[in-house]
Parts: sequence; C-alpha cells; structure tokens
Amino acid sequence: GEDVEQSLFLSVREGDSSVINCTYTDSSSTYLYWYKQEPGAGLQLLTYIFSNMDMKQDQRLTVLLNKKDKHLSLRIADTQTGDSAIYFCAESSTGGFKTIFGAGTRLFVKA
Amino acid sequence: DSGVTQTPKHLITATGQRVTLRCSPRSGDLSVYWYQQSLDQGLQFLIQYYNGEERAKGNILERFSAQQFPDLHSELNLSSLELGDSALYFCASSVGLAGANEQFFGPGTRLTVL
Repeated sequence: GEDVEQSLFLSVREGDSSVINCTYTDSSSTYLYWYKQEPGAGLQLLTYIFSNMDMKQDQRLTVLLNKKDKHLSLRIADTQTGDSAIYFCAESSTGGFKTIFGAGTRLFVKA
Repeated sequence: DSGVTQTPKHLITATGQRVTLRCSPRSGDLSVYWYQQSLDQGLQFLIQYYNGEERAKGNILERFSAQQFPDLHSELNLSSLELGDSALYFCASSVGLAGANEQFFGPGTRLTVL
C-alpha cells in the first residue's frame, strides 16, 4: 500500500540550512505536501508541489522532487528558532480520497 | 486560526467509557477528515467524509465510529476506551476530496484515558 517515510529528528544550529527528507511509495502520487505542526497546534500547510515539477521555491523554503527515486525534500534556509516544529511530508493522487502523511520530522533549532 | 473548530479541547475519562469528539469544518468545506496522533504511532488517518457520506477509511478501530451531519459538522465516537486510545485527535477539512485540496486542521482534542 501507500507509504510515506521520514526521519524522526533533525537538529541544526540557528542560521544554518535545514534539509528534511521524505520518500514515498505511490508512483501515482500527484501532489506532495509539506505541513508544519507547532507545539500545541494542528498541522498547517507550508507548501506543496505537483509531480510534474522538480523544484519549487517560496522565500526561505525550497522543495525538491526526484520523481524517479520518489524522494522529496524541504530545505529551510537561515533556520530560526521559530522554525522548531514537526514537519510532515504527505502525498495524494488525482482521484484519490485520502492524503497519506509521514510520521513527521521533529526539527530542533539550537541558538 | 484555520477556521476548523473542535470540542472539547481536553477530555479525561476512564477505561471502558465512551466519548464523542465534535468538529465543525471551515465554512464552505465539504470534506472532513479525522486523524489520531500519538507519540508511538505518529499521525494516523482514521476516516474521511464528504458531504455526509463516508469516502475513505484508514486505520480506524471497530470501537470507533464517525458521522457527518447535514450541516457538515462531524462527530467521532470512541467506545470501550483503552489506555492506548490516549492521543491527540485532529479533525481537518477541505473544499473537496483529496488531491490538490489543502487540508485545514483544527487545534485537536487531547484525550486521556486513565
């Protein structure tokens, strides 16, 4: 069945870049998402990419998609302490009824 | 504020009991999703409703059930509660079905089973 995998933890220093990686199994995935969950809150969509794109940049965020390897990454430039959160990778396909979420990567930013 | 409301925020109950969690989607959203988040299992999709009808089922236990009412609010019923059911339960909504639709998450209901 469909599966989305991510590493559980990432620790970076303030000002460095963070790269959060994700792999997925569904080759029919059409939409790939990154959600952010801050402490005590629900998930919030950060950005998404269509499967016919290789890269999407939005201010400090860069999403890279390698469709052949089914690998998605989120790069956060100049990481700040306010970026400390859990980041979820998710995928869905055209005509599919559900979005499959990864387990989430907890990002720690050290001052 | 996502526009999705969930009540109650916190719920503490005993094993064997039954509880009902309530969700009001964003205005105009027809799809409602329920998720369970626990430390050991991560975020698990439970069930999805679209305009009153069940459309997708995930890892939902038989002790759990849900429904979406004509006014589009949804309730998740958890019965014969066990210690392992302690978790954060999220509701999310989207305009249509999955695909390109962004899901908007509520703040969650934290359930503690003692």
